[in-house]
Amino acid sequence: QQPVQSPQAVILREGEDAVINCSSSKALYSVHWYRQKHGEAPVFLMILLKGGEQKGHEKISASFNEKKQQSSLYLTASQLSYSGTYFCGTADRGADGLTFGKGTHLIIQP
Amino acid sequence: NAGVTQTPKFQVLKTGQSMTLQCAQDMNHEYMSWYRQDPGMGLRLIHYSVGAGITDQGEVPNGYNVSRSTTEDFPLRLLSAAPSQTSVYFCASSRDYSYNEQFFGPGTRLTVL
Repeated sequence: QQPVQSPQAVILREGEDAVINCSSSKALYSVHWYRQKHGEAPVFLMILLKGGEQKGHEKISASFNEKKQQSSLYLTASQLSYSGTYFCGTADRGADGLTFGKGTHLIIQP
Repeated sequence: NAGVTQTPKFQVLKTGQSMTLQCAQDMNHEYMSWYRQDPGMGLRLIHYSVGAGITDQGEVPNGYNVSRSTTEDFPLRLLSAAPSQTSVYFCASSRDYSYNEQFFGPGTRLTVL
């Protein structure tokens, strides 16, 4: 069962902030965030682990509410290079692999 | 390090043909996986492997086979291609699926006519 991402798409001006949400119905070990540009492979941004540990990108922050099985990715002072599709992937006890959401399309305009 | 490599980059098949998508990694990762990506659907797990000789099914395994004879290689076989298998296929590797980042290959764009 795929995690649900919101919003599906967002358009921002350069310098504005964005929040992308990811929600699962299952108890999670971890939440992963990836960014994909058109025609390219997904690129790792961040992992949030049960218990509070984070690994990943210095300029991007995220939160993980274990009780609600929700995660949010915070993009502050967005740059043109932030444009792309953002995917969350969740790891839970029921599957030996990541289950990805359908993605959030982020467009940054000058 | 080459990271994760995939061949071919593009492929066109006719319905009923078979083929193998190749995937290799040089990072000595135990965990490898195959995803397919369709418009609006995100990435869906086809098969995965937690080490040489060990494979298992993911969310959408029907019509695909895998094997893992070495740590480095994880080929994906389409047994009898169908138009519904038209997609972009990504191979990924990592130390484990939960606690470490997955490294994705560049992808194979497959069209089945």
